[in-house]
Amino acid sequence: EAAVTQSPRNKVAVTGGKVTLSCNQTNNHNNMYWYRQDTGHGLRLIHYSYGAGSTEKGDIPDGYKASRPSQENFSLILELATPSQTSVYFCASGGDRGENNQAPLFGEGTRLSVL
Amino acid sequence: GDSVTQTEGLVTLTEGLPVMLNCTYQTIYSNPFLFWYVQHLNESPRLLLKSFTDNKRTEHQGFHATLHKSSSSFHLQKSSAQLSDSALYYCALLSGSFNKLTFGAGTRLAVCP
Repeated sequence: EAAVTQSPRNKVAVTGGKVTLSCNQTNNHNNMYWYRQDTGHGLRLIHYSYGAGSTEKGDIPDGYKASRPSQENFSLILELATPSQTSVYFCASGGDRGENNQAPLFGEGTRLSVL
Repeated sequence: GDSVTQTEGLVTLTEGLPVMLNCTYQTIYSNPFLFWYVQHLNESPRLLLKSFTDNKRTEHQGFHATLHKSSSSFHLQKSSAQLSDSALYYCALLSGSFNKLTFGAGTRLAVCP
């Protein structure tokens, strides 16, 4: 069964610290995405990737980096975490065009608090 | 760049009344994919409907939507709201050569007895 797994599920970080959020998919999807969700703003795209080794900036990339070392894994990195990055982060995979026309599938989310 | 507009932030309905949530989009690409996702409290977004075919109705779980490229719209409808439909609904656009997936701000649907 298609699945997207995020880790950790909850994280408390200190201001100025480094945070890495991980995402793994076993669906062999080319496309992967990182979003943050805040009340009043919906789902905002931070970074995305169309395959191993690629990363693209989304709509709000400032303060975030991304890494796609393999087809299965896509990480979101906060080099210097700030309280404004406190949010719920979702990873998704899918949206590959072609005969499958798979809609993106979401992970369960990571709740990040930066103190 | 690409954008998705959901005009209603909150829709409150009485059970049994029809549902219509608006979604319009902007993109320079000619072959967009449109999606509706539903998110219940403390859960992740889950696919409700998808379409890439112009003027073709798509249905799932009592909800339906039709992609109209002429008006750049993909409105979500249901004939009779149920209490369990109370949730956050997102319209999303997949477009471009790199398949950027853009979401609207979301519409919260509250169905009351």
